[in-house]
Formats: sequence, C-alpha cells, structure tokens
Amino acid sequence: GQNIDQPTEMTATEGAIVQINCTYQTSGFNGLFWYQQHAGEAPTFLSYNVLDGLEEKGRFSSFLSRSKGYSYLLLKELQMKDSASYLCAGGYYNQGGKLIFGQGTELSVKP
Amino acid sequence: GAVVSQHPSWVICKSGTSVKIECRSLDFQATTMFWYRQFPKQSLMLMATSNEGSKATYEQGVEKDKFLINHASLTLSTLTVTSAHPEDSSFYICSARSGGSYEQYFGPGTRLTVT
Repeated sequence: GQNIDQPTEMTATEGAIVQINCTYQTSGFNGLFWYQQHAGEAPTFLSYNVLDGLEEKGRFSSFLSRSKGYSYLLLKELQMKDSASYLCAGGYYNQGGKLIFGQGTELSVKP
Repeated sequence: GAVVSQHPSWVICKSGTSVKIECRSLDFQATTMFWYRQFPKQSLMLMATSNEGSKATYEQGVEKDKFLINHASLTLSTLTVTSAHPEDSSFYICSARSGGSYEQYFGPGTRLTVT
C-alpha cells in the first residue's frame, strides 16, 4: 500500500513556527497535497508539490523530497485560527486518481 | 472557480429510512467524484470513487448495496444511505476532480444523524 504517516497531534504557541512532517511510500508516487480542515468543515487546499524543493505561500510553505519520501508543511507566525487538522495526501499513478490520506495532524495553537 | 456544493448540509433521519445526499460541481465538469466518510477526530475514509456514466468503485469493507452511488452527469453525483442505522451517523464529504488532475475539490460536507 501507499502508507502516509504524520504525527497525530502537535501543540505550538501563537506567533511561533511549526513544522508538520509527512512520510510516504515512493513507489508510483506522483505528488503530495496538504489540506487544512477545521472541525465540522470540509478540507481546504493548501498546497500541491510535485517537484523537489520548497514552495512558499505567505505564512505557509510546503517542502518535498521525492527521493526520501518526505514532505513537511511549515506554518509561520502562528495564529489562533491556525488550530485545525492538517491532512497530508499522496497522489499515486496506480490508484485511479484517488488520494491516499494520512491520519491528519491535529494542531493546537496556544496563546 | 472549482466550487463543489453538497445538499443537504445536515440531515436527521430515523433508523430504517433512506437518505440521499447530492454533490454538484458548479463551475466545472467532474469526470470523477469521490465520497468520503469521517468520524470525529479521524481522517477522511474513502468510501467509493465514481466516474460519470459508469458504476462506482467501492473501497474494501464498504457495502455497495447500502451506500448507493449514482453519477449520472458530469456535474452531479448522489449518495443514498439505505436502511440507515445509528452507526451510519457521520460526516459525509464529496469531492470532485476534472480530467487528469490529481487535485480534488471538496464539498462542504453533510452531517448525517440517524436516530
């Protein structure tokens, strides 16, 4: 299978930086998505990495290393509203367009 | 662009009845739609993949006779929960993709409560 692993929970302080890691199996891998999901709401798209390297979008950045099967989501200048679940999802060529989701990382931002 | 709607946003039904949930792509043609279920504090669990005009492909462990999926057009897919039981109470989310893109656009979700 294409296991996607990420930590279950993380806690950080308002104004700080937090890095959420995600590892995945590389066989058949196409690209990696990060979604943010607030409780009771649908996931919202944050980023999509296909090539190696860091992509920055404002306070959020996402990194991918295809050879290592590793990605991270970096959140800077944390705000209370960033408290949410962050889902890592991989697209694979042999999965008919399905995304394989990790279990999600519940981020709590404390004052 | 790339907006997906779901209806209803929440529904309460009695045990034994059936409930239909609609998923629509409003401004693009969705060649593939996905149905997920999510329990509290858990990640999304894919139930089935549906391509327009063909039968849905169900994930292992999902009863196709209980969760009926129809994808009759490029903008509409429906999920019908038949003979609902309290354990079917969950958050149901659909998503849609267009063409060869891996990106999925999510609907706002439907909260189903079976009493």
